[in-house]
Amino acid sequence: EAQVTQNPRYLITVTGKKLTVTCSQNMNHEYMSWYRQDPGLGLRQIYYSMNVEVTDKGDVPEGYKVSRKEKRNFPLILESPSPNQTSLYFCASSSPLRTGDNEQFFGPGTRLTVL
Amino acid sequence: LAKTTQPISMDSYEGQEVNITCSHNNIATNDYITWYQQFPSQGPRFIIQGYKTKVTNEVASLFIPADRKSSTLSLPRVSLSDTAVYYCLVHTGGFKTIFGAGTRLFVKA
Repeated sequence: EAQVTQNPRYLITVTGKKLTVTCSQNMNHEYMSWYRQDPGLGLRQIYYSMNVEVTDKGDVPEGYKVSRKEKRNFPLILESPSPNQTSLYFCASSSPLRTGDNEQFFGPGTRLTVL
Repeated sequence: LAKTTQPISMDSYEGQEVNITCSHNNIATNDYITWYQQFPSQGPRFIIQGYKTKVTNEVASLFIPADRKSSTLSLPRVSLSDTAVYYCLVHTGGFKTIFGAGTRLFVKA
């Protein structure tokens, strides 16, 4: 089944404790992206990647890191989480160059709470 | 990236046709218009995409006038399960993506 998976789905952590949220897709998509969603603010893009070793900042990259060492994986790293990073996070993938459209496939989301 | 403006919320009844209009006055020549649907605590789901005129698929139609400064998502005969938030996006090639605030559609019995 074609899908985007995220782990963990739920995470409660404390300020300053490094964490990684994994994202994996099995559709051979070139493009992957991370979003955060907060009440009243909609979805905001954190980082995106056009292909392996190619990443770029979205609208809200501060406090986050990403890497794209393999095509299928795009982990989101919070080196020193803070309470304002408490949010619902979504990973997405697509293949805009191959298909010519922008249908992004989203993962199930990761609900992160930073105390 | 073109900014989009949508109504914050809409109400409808089961069986009615719902039209949600999105304004994107500074759309660029190469920009496509894409609509997503999102249920609570789930990731957005692609509904439809178009460049000009009319596009129809099994779930919706998308109407785009000649000047492309707006677009209308049409949902035929909505049901309770269509209650969701609908997002309009305008962008090129799917790289940097900006979601607007979306339109919260509430379908009543």
